[in-house]
Amino acid sequence: DAKTTQPPSMDCAEGRAANLPCNHSTISGNEYVYWYRQIHSQGPQYIIHGLKNNETNEMASLIITEDRKSSTLILPHATLRDTAVYYCIVRANQGGKLIFGQGTELSVKP
Amino acid sequence: KAGVTQTPRYLIKTRGQQVTLSCSPISGHRSVSWYQQTPGQGLQFLFEYFSETQRNKGNFPGRFSGRQFSNSRSEMNVSTLELGDSALYLCASSIDPTTNEKLFFGSGTQLSVL
Repeated sequence: DAKTTQPPSMDCAEGRAANLPCNHSTISGNEYVYWYRQIHSQGPQYIIHGLKNNETNEMASLIITEDRKSSTLILPHATLRDTAVYYCIVRANQGGKLIFGQGTELSVKP
Repeated sequence: KAGVTQTPRYLIKTRGQQVTLSCSPISGHRSVSWYQQTPGQGLQFLFEYFSETQRNKGNFPGRFSGRQFSNSRSEMNVSTLELGDSALYLCASSIDPTTNEKLFFGSGTQLSVL
């Protein structure tokens, strides 16, 4: 499984877009990019995943670069409830285990 | 639809004891995986079960074991507890682990070893 690199922490003003970067330069052609988040003392929550096309759902947008070596998770209008640790994970298309890195601790401030 | 249920929510044990944690997946989900979360090591994969068979195993000692029942419920057992086993143990379920189905996590069992 490819390794991911994320900044350890980021701040965002409430109501503004939060853009969380992730580097996965060793990603293979059959590996997907997943994003999960974990709010303190709860289990991780799925946000979004994609292979090579940009994806959008009710929670966020995922932008994957053309060479697939990096991606950005976008929370369009961050709220205080979006304060959490965000994990970028690369996962083989056969599914299975998730390899979590240290993630990015996002603090949304009023 | 009920989410992933883990019991108990909190547990206190002493060194040398053993412990069994339980996980009930979302109805219809046939795969259960377990993760350990500690402040120092973060989230680490323990093992994964699908249709009562262990499909994948992480890099943990043999004191950590698990099983899955015919109703997809799963248990994990830790024998001869050590102080370093204090952690949040998370269970996740999915319909089929061989596809890109997303995992749904429970709230975890917080184990403290004294």
